[in-house]
Formats: sequence, structure tokens, C-alpha cells
Amino acid sequence: ETGVTQSPTHLIKTRGQQVTLRCSSQSGHNTVSWYQQALGQGPQFIFQYYREEENGRGNFPPRFSGLQFPNYSSELNVNALELDDSALYLCASSFPGQNYEQYFGPGTRLTVT
Amino acid sequence: KNEVEQSPQNLTAQEGEFITINCSYSVGISALHWLQQHPGGGIVSLFMLSSGKKKHGRLIATINIQEKHSSLHITASHPRDSAVYICAAYPNYNTDKLIFGTGTRLQVFP
Repeated sequence: ETGVTQSPTHLIKTRGQQVTLRCSSQSGHNTVSWYQQALGQGPQFIFQYYREEENGRGNFPPRFSGLQFPNYSSELNVNALELDDSALYLCASSFPGQNYEQYFGPGTRLTVT
Repeated sequence: KNEVEQSPQNLTAQEGEFITINCSYSVGISALHWLQQHPGGGIVSLFMLSSGKKKHGRLIATINIQEKHSSLHITASHPRDSAVYICAAYPNYNTDKLIFGTGTRLQVFP
């Protein structure tokens, strides 16, 4: 059973650019949640995908968008990057019914300059 | 005010000490995670609990749903326990979403 993986590990982008982050869910999990963790803060919920549909969204602007693929892997896209988007982006996978327990990936650290 | 609050924010201890980290929340929840985050970012789930107490090795987690409070205890702390400990709850108003505390940074010195 493979765990949750994310790519890339680190990324540096310039303000105004666009970025795509990727997450592969744990085997058998059909739900992926994305979180943003600014330095020194707890993670904040961005959105969740369940069976390829968005299933809930936190307080993030529309330039944060996502996709989930038939194999349940997921992408987080951020357009028009701002300096405040610099953060650790975490994804977590889960399977409804397993008491909602979420399994986290190692994160992608995004720096916007 | 955050829906999930942790205390203390920072904690230092000598090796061997008993550690307690507290988490309180202001909304109804269905379950609560205790998570460990090491430098570099990766998060590991230590416990998920909805009632009572769970133990794994030197770690013990308790929760009192009526009092909206949970604690994480580390017995015989060790320098390798140094990390950020985060509690995160599944609110009843959206059981698919985790809401996180800001974390407790623990440093254990030899």
C-alpha cells in the first residue's frame, strides 16, 4: 500500500505566474483535501475533491482551483501568484467510512518572489 | 477567534519529563486528530479519536466531548519527540473539513 505523495517538493515562482501542484492519494482512497500552511500557522482548508467533484471549499479566492482524476490523484492550480501564496501546500487523502481519517502527504513548499 | 485553540504555543522540556499539550474547541465535532509535524513539513497522524482515551507507546491522547477539550501526553520525553504538535477537528457542520489549531512547538533537550 503506497502512501500519499506530492510533487514537486519545492518550487520557486515569480509573482503573477501560475503553478500546478500534484498529489497522489493513498491506494483505495477516493477523497483528496488540500491545505495551505503559512509559516508558523496551522494549515487552512482550501478545498476537497471526492470522486472527481469539488466537495467543499474554504475561504480561498477562485484563482485557487483544482482537479481530481479518475485514478483519484489531484492537482491544485494557483493563478496570478501573490507573495502571500508562499506557503507549504499539503494534501491529504481519505476514504469515506474510515472514520474520516486523513493521511497526509509530505507537502510542497512554494516560494513566490 | 479560532474554532480550535491549543496551548501552550511553545514548550521546552528536559529529556524524561512528562509533557501535556492541550486543545480546546468551540464547535461540535465528530472526531479529532492529533498530528505531528517535523521540520521540513511532513505531517504524521498520531491519533484520531472521538471519545475516551488512546495510547500508543509513550503517547496518550484523551478527549472529553462534553467539555470540548482534548489533551496529548508524552511520557518519558526524548529529544526525538521535538516537533510541532497540531490538533485538528472535524466539525459537525462539515465533517469532510478539518479545522486546525496553530500548533505547539515542543523542544526536548538532552
